Amino acid sequence: DTAVSQTPKYLVTQMGNDKSIKCEQNLGHDTMYWYKQDSKKFLKIMFSYNNKELIINETVPNRFSPKSPDKAHLNLHINSLELGDSAVYFCASSQERRPRVFGAGTRLSVL
Amino acid sequence: QQPVQSPQAVILREGEDAVINCSSSKALYSVHWYRQKHGEAPVFLMILLKGGEQKGHDKISASFNEKKQQSSLYLTASQLSYSGTYFCGTEIAGSARQLTFGSGTQLTVLP
Repeated sequence: DTAVSQTPKYLVTQMGNDKSIKCEQNLGHDTMYWYKQDSKKFLKIMFSYNNKELIINETVPNRFSPKSPDKAHLNLHINSLELGDSAVYFCASSQERRPRVFGAGTRLSVL
Repeated sequence: QQPVQSPQAVILREGEDAVINCSSSKALYSVHWYRQKHGEAPVFLMILLKGGEQKGHDKISASFNEKKQQSSLYLTASQLSYSGTYFCGTEIAGSARQLTFGSGTQLTVLP
């Protein structure tokens, strides 16, 4: 059983399209995160939800909208995709301030 | 604020030792260490909490100097499997579960 699962694993799309990435964790953790890793491997926090409530919202374009329907799910919707959005997006979860468990990542390529 | 990691890259022969450093300009609550292999998700190695401790498992250990806001990761008698990018993540005292990652140290172990 995968602890943190993300779908899809690969996403190739045209500029201007809208896409979603889904994340689910079966660890019973209370906090979930979205990180973006660019081509230089820099891991940047985007959002964090604790028990379905948004607690971290970094400087991210409004085109990115997270949604947490319940404690075990955190989805990321991206509107009007741009070339600069190409990156690997990692979902992660943790219990309080304990170690993050990362999903396998979604490799987004915007053409 | 992003912690500063050094060195950016290191190349070793199997059996050699390495030290990776991580420093912050802010008072820290904790330091996390993760390793990421190419094309994979970051994997948790260890966490060090305020209180200045040293932890380790196998031949990988870490220290946390609370006064200097610095942490070091020690890899002794390195193995080929140690190759990857090592990230430190810091939680600032008083922050809302925000783990900010350094830019990473690429470690290559050669036979």
